[in-house]
Amino acid sequence: DGGITQSPKYLFRKEGQNVTLSCEQNLNHDAMYWYRQDPGQGLRLIYYSQIVNDFQKGDIAEGYSVSREKKESFPLTVTSAQKNPTAFYLCASSSNRYSYEQYFGPGTRLTVT
Amino acid sequence: QQQVKQSPQSLIVQKGGISIINCAYENTAFDYFPWYQQFPGKGPALLIAIRPDVSEKKEGRFTISFNKSAKQFSLHIMDSQPGDSATYFCAAATTSGTYKYIFGTGTRLKVLA
Repeated sequence: DGGITQSPKYLFRKEGQNVTLSCEQNLNHDAMYWYRQDPGQGLRLIYYSQIVNDFQKGDIAEGYSVSREKKESFPLTVTSAQKNPTAFYLCASSSNRYSYEQYFGPGTRLTVT
Repeated sequence: QQQVKQSPQSLIVQKGGISIINCAYENTAFDYFPWYQQFPGKGPALLIAIRPDVSEKKEGRFTISFNKSAKQFSLHIMDSQPGDSATYFCAAATTSGTYKYIFGTGTRLKVLA
């Protein structure tokens, strides 16, 4: 079954703690992306990676960090420096080599109190 | 210049009616325009996409109309059904370079039975 897996679906943390969100894909896609979604807003790009061991900041990277050590994995760490971390986080991937379509995972809803 | 403006913010349509959602962009370098459908608590799913070399693309009940000179594109949902009730996002991207998507702010569609 090919697709993108995000875990967990719901995550709760106390303020001041770092938390890592998982994203795995078995689509053999080169590129992976992290978006943040807030109510009434579009998807905003946090980080993206076009190849292994390389990634770039998106529009709202402050307070977040990523790694891309394996093609299939792109974990996102929400650090304590992120001022408003409560949001719905979406991971996506795309082939880029053959198509530009981005496919999304089911998302992780993070609540920080 | 990187924005994609989407309207309306919300839309109510009777079953069997036509739903129309509009998007406008400024950056003439954009050359790929996808539409996504998102149900509550789920990740967005690609519906249909268009390149600027065609003015219209149809897939089932979903049609994208593209006006290059006006820098506008729209999604038409024919014979709208209650199951189409979801949030719809347009996006724009350049297919050379980073393949980053710029998303609209979304339209919440409700189709009345």
